[in-house]
Amino acid sequence: SQKIEQNSEALNIQEGKTATLTCNYTNYSPAYLQWYRQDPGRGPVFLLLIRENEKEKRKERLKVTFDTTLKQSLFHITASQPADSATYLCALPGTDSWGKLQFGAGTQVVVTP
Amino acid sequence: KAGVTQTPRYLIKTRGQQVTLSCSPISGHRSVSWYQQTPGQGLQFLFEYFSETQRNKGNFPGRFSGRQFSNSRSEMNVSTLELGDSALYLCASSLVDRVETQYFGPGTRLLVL
Repeated sequence: SQKIEQNSEALNIQEGKTATLTCNYTNYSPAYLQWYRQDPGRGPVFLLLIRENEKEKRKERLKVTFDTTLKQSLFHITASQPADSATYLCALPGTDSWGKLQFGAGTQVVVTP
Repeated sequence: KAGVTQTPRYLIKTRGQQVTLSCSPISGHRSVSWYQQTPGQGLQFLFEYFSETQRNKGNFPGRFSGRQFSNSRSEMNVSTLELGDSALYLCASSLVDRVETQYFGPGTRLLVL
């Protein structure tokens, strides 16, 4: 079955630096991959979607890459700020339905001033 | 536009009881999905509804059920509650032709004692 792996260790980073998160998946060739942000006690918030035919996508200080050969996505937060502190989740569509999202466990990012 | 709303936000029940959670999607969104989030299992897909019909189902026992009304509002029910059902239950809505992008509500925190 499909497996999604994200680094379970928290990423501690200094303000202004670039945070890089990894999402690896196996046993699947998804048509797209998404990244969500989740703050404690709140629902995930959609950030970016990248399709299989796209190598890179940007939104403000966020950048996502998608390597379908390595089965990996990298998520970058440039010029990080304390307000970026949150858990970031990657999500792939279900093997039988796009509406059936499967999430990684998430990586917590802590940005210190 | 108002976001996804979920009621109640917090709930405490005892083993063996049943519970009903409610979700109102973003106006115009006709697809509603439900997820369970726990520290051990992460975010797991429960089911998806569209036009009052269950379109997808995750790997949960029959104690978990849901329904959708003609105004796209949805409810999920858990019968014969178990301690392991303690979780954050999240509802997400999406446009019919963009089901891959889901907008989550704040969730209902259920504690089973």
